Amino acid sequence: DAKTTQPPSMDCAEGRAANLPCNHSTISGNEYVYWYRQIHSQGPQYIIHGLKNNETNEMASLIITEDRKSSTLILPHATLRDTAVYYCIVGPSYNTDKLIFGTGTRLQVFP
Amino acid sequence: DAGVTQSPTHLIKTRGQQVTLRCSPKSGHDTVSWYQQALGQGPQFIFQYYEEEERQRGNFPDRFSGHQFPNYSSELNVNALLLGDSALYLCASSSPAGRGEQYFGPGTRLTVT
Repeated sequence: DAKTTQPPSMDCAEGRAANLPCNHSTISGNEYVYWYRQIHSQGPQYIIHGLKNNETNEMASLIITEDRKSSTLILPHATLRDTAVYYCIVGPSYNTDKLIFGTGTRLQVFP
Repeated sequence: DAGVTQSPTHLIKTRGQQVTLRCSPKSGHDTVSWYQQALGQGPQFIFQYYEEEERQRGNFPDRFSGHQFPNYSSELNVNALLLGDSALYLCASSSPAGRGEQYFGPGTRLTVT
């Protein structure tokens, strides 16, 4: 079973920041938080991952609480192309390990 | 640089038949994982291949089997198809030298009638 809890759906206006929350209260000390997204009819796409420090890349920012029991993915300026299902996944640091997906958050960006 | 490719794109089979799906990993990747995604659900891990051997397996019956070739490409075979096997089958590749991400292909849509 997935180790994360996410809201089933969210809306965001185009150009505004999209903040997607994730709860992972049972995360262990050596587990990372990964975020993937899946645009309709495509394979999942890696976004970002982190252990305990906040991370930022060209796609998004990841904010992890100090107790590591929750995190937030931030898309700073959402566009219509960011409409997708976003998955928060907890797992070991080995990039070759299996990913355990939940049902994710369906983000709808509207004009 | 081609990403992960999968073939065929779509496939329709009859219950009881057998099917083979194919995956070519991203250049430089040596590990291939297969996932099954039913409609409205997140992908479910089937198994993973590394160095031509199955390294990990999810909770799927023996009807699901696979193979990895010396060039790192992979096949997923499903025998005795059931209606419940209808799904999107996703292949993902990765490399031990990577940063932690897996790269997914576009998937093969299998419909069992």
